[in-house]
Amino acid sequence: EPEVTQTPSHQVTQMGQEVILRCVPISNHLYFYWYRQILGQKVEFLVSFYNNEISEKSEIFDDQFSVERPDGSNFTLKIRSTKLEDSAMYFCASSRGVTGETQYFGPGTRLLVL
Amino acid sequence: GENVEQHPSTLSVQEGDSAVIKCTYSDSASNYFPWYKQELGKRPQLIIDIRSNVGEKKDQRIAVTLNKTAKHFSLHITETQPEDSAVYFCAANTGGFKTIFGAGTRLFVKA
Repeated sequence: EPEVTQTPSHQVTQMGQEVILRCVPISNHLYFYWYRQILGQKVEFLVSFYNNEISEKSEIFDDQFSVERPDGSNFTLKIRSTKLEDSAMYFCASSRGVTGETQYFGPGTRLLVL
Repeated sequence: GENVEQHPSTLSVQEGDSAVIKCTYSDSASNYFPWYKQELGKRPQLIIDIRSNVGEKKDQRIAVTLNKTAKHFSLHITETQPEDSAVYFCAANTGGFKTIFGAGTRLFVKA
């Protein structure tokens, strides 16, 4: 069964550094998402992406964040200048459609900002 | 925007008993309600979902009910087993691109 994959599984970075989190969505899916989960807290929506542009974003997704689909398979989340409070698990998800369609989550990237 | 409240935050049951988790949502335009199970350090996994044109859905030991008028939906797990122990999240989607999650319920099933 196809799965969403993410790399790296863990990333440690210094405050102020840029990080890029990578995701490979399921191949026939058209809608892509990034979520964040701070340790012990709920899953928070960051951004959705369709047809090579952002469809919707949350208040968390400020100018420090960007997303890109650089080729036909990868979907990336970039944090330009990391802050301590960016430390969290970041999940990528994808779905075939948008209305009432199941979102499949990747295994996550645990980001630690020191 | 949409807000999803989830209760209880922690639930402890004896093996074989039933567990019920309740959620309320604020946006009456929400029309899709998935439930996810998350084991420690793992990704959220969809366990059941319900769309707004249906009042109840069942899959083996798991059922979900939806009351659109009251804007609440519930997860019911019967005959609980130790492997049901996990964090369960409800979520709501308005048919757009944003899914809002509840705060989660940590379920402990004691053997």
